[in-house]
Amino acid sequence: AQTVTQSQPEMSVQEAETVTLSCTYDTSENNYYLFWYKQPPSRQMILVIRQEAYKQQNATENRFSVNFQKAAKSFSLKISDSQLGDTAMYFCAFTSNYGGSQGNLIFGKGTKLSVKP
Amino acid sequence: EPEVTQTPSHQVTQMGQEVILRCVPISNHLYFYWYRQILGQKVEFLVSFYNNEISEKSEIFDDQFSVERPDGSNFTLKIRSTKLEDSAMYFCASSERQGRSGELFFGEGSRLTVL
Repeated sequence: AQTVTQSQPEMSVQEAETVTLSCTYDTSENNYYLFWYKQPPSRQMILVIRQEAYKQQNATENRFSVNFQKAAKSFSLKISDSQLGDTAMYFCAFTSNYGGSQGNLIFGKGTKLSVKP
Repeated sequence: EPEVTQTPSHQVTQMGQEVILRCVPISNHLYFYWYRQILGQKVEFLVSFYNNEISEKSEIFDDQFSVERPDGSNFTLKIRSTKLEDSAMYFCASSERQGRSGELFFGEGSRLTVL
C-alpha cells in the first residue's frame, strides 16, 4: 500500500526567508503524481504544485518549487521569499496513475507552517 | 472564482441518527469526491463519483455511507446511523478531469460531531 510521510508537524520561518518542507512516500509503482496542497486557516485546501513522476524536471510555480528525488522517494517543497499569507497547513499527497485508479489522493499528516513578520 | 461549497459547516448529532452532508461542486466539473479528516489524523479518501455512479471507494466507505447527485448540482454524503468514530471534518472535492491528472478543488469542509 502507498503511504505518505511528513516528518515535520510544525515549522516556522521569518518573512522573506526560504523554507523547505519534507515529504517521503512509499510505492511500488513507477508512474504516479505527487502534489502539495495548502490549507490556510479558512480550511479550504488549494493546490500549490504538482509533479508527474515520469518527468525528471522539478516543478516550479512562482515562489514554490519542489525537489523530486524519485529513487529516494522524496518530494520536498521549497518556498522562497516567504510571505505572511503562506501561513497554512501544507499537505503532501500521492496518487497512482494506473488505469484502475480514479486518482484518489493519499495524504500525509501535514506540516503547519507559520511565517513570522 | 468558482468554488466548491459545503453545508452545513458544523453539525452535531446523536449517535444512531442519520446525517446528510451537502456539497455543490464547480459547475463544469465531472468528478466528485468525499474525503474525511479525523482530528489529528490524515485526510482520508472515502469515495469518488463519476457519471452518476461510484467509481472508487475506500474500506472506510461501508454500507453506512452512501452518495448521490440528486439534481445534477448537489452532491450528498449520507451516513445512515452515525457512530462516535464518524466524528470528523468531511471535505467534498470536484475536478474537471480524473484526479490523477486534474486538480482537485476542495470545499471548506463540514465538521460532524457525533455525541
